Amino acid sequence: DTAVSQTPKYLVTQMGNDKSIKCEQNLGHDTMYWYKQDSKKFLKIMFSYNNKELIINETVPNRFSPKSPDKAHLNLHINSLELGDSAVYFCASSPRSENGELFFGEGSRLTVL
Amino acid sequence: AQSVSQHNHHVILSEAASLELGCNYSYGGTVNLFWYVQYPGQHLQLLLKYFSGDPLVKGIKGFEAEFIKSKFSFNLRKPSVQWSDTAEYFCAARNAGKSTFGDGTTLTVKP
Repeated sequence: DTAVSQTPKYLVTQMGNDKSIKCEQNLGHDTMYWYKQDSKKFLKIMFSYNNKELIINETVPNRFSPKSPDKAHLNLHINSLELGDSAVYFCASSPRSENGELFFGEGSRLTVL
Repeated sequence: AQSVSQHNHHVILSEAASLELGCNYSYGGTVNLFWYVQYPGQHLQLLLKYFSGDPLVKGIKGFEAEFIKSKFSFNLRKPSVQWSDTAEYFCAARNAGKSTFGDGTTLTVKP
C-alpha cells in the first residue's frame, strides 16, 4: 500500500490551462504539505495544512490554490499555467506539525509547453 | 529566517571510497535535523534524523551523521560507498512545523 500517493504522476499541458494534482495519505497523519522541486533539484515548501487548516503559505502566486477536504487529502489546483510552473510537485505528510520526518509521495512532474 | 546550506553540489567517488557531505544550518533555537535521499526518478526518503541525545546518529544503509551544535553542522558520512548510493542527498532542518531543505548534493559513485 502506498503511504502517500499523488495523481497524476505526469502532466503535460499548454500555457494558460488550469490543472489539478491530487494527494492522499493513509498514514493517519495530521499535517500535509506541497513542495516544488525545480529543474536544479531545489526543494521549496509551498503550503502546509494541519487537520484541514492552512498553517504555512509561502510566497506563492495566487494562481496556486490548495484544498484539503479532509486531513487525508490535500489537492493543488493551478490556474493559468505558466512556463515557469514546470517542475516536480511533491506532496508530503508528517505525524505532527511541530516536528517529525516527512513522508513524501512519488511526485507529479508538470510540464508546461 | 531558517536556512540550510550544503557545501558540495556534486560529488564523484569510486566505489569503496569514504563519503562526507557537509551541511550547516542557521537557526538559534531548537531544530530537528534530517538527511533525505532521492534515488534517480524516485521520491525523497528519510536516511536518518536527529532530535536530541547522542549527537552521532545512525541511519539506513550504513549512513551516519554527527550533530555538532557549536558549528551548527550536521554532516553525513559513510565509510564505504556503493554504486547504488548514487542519488541526490538533501539536508533539512525543521522548526515550528516548517522544514527547510538545503540545495542538495548529487552523489555519483563510479563502479
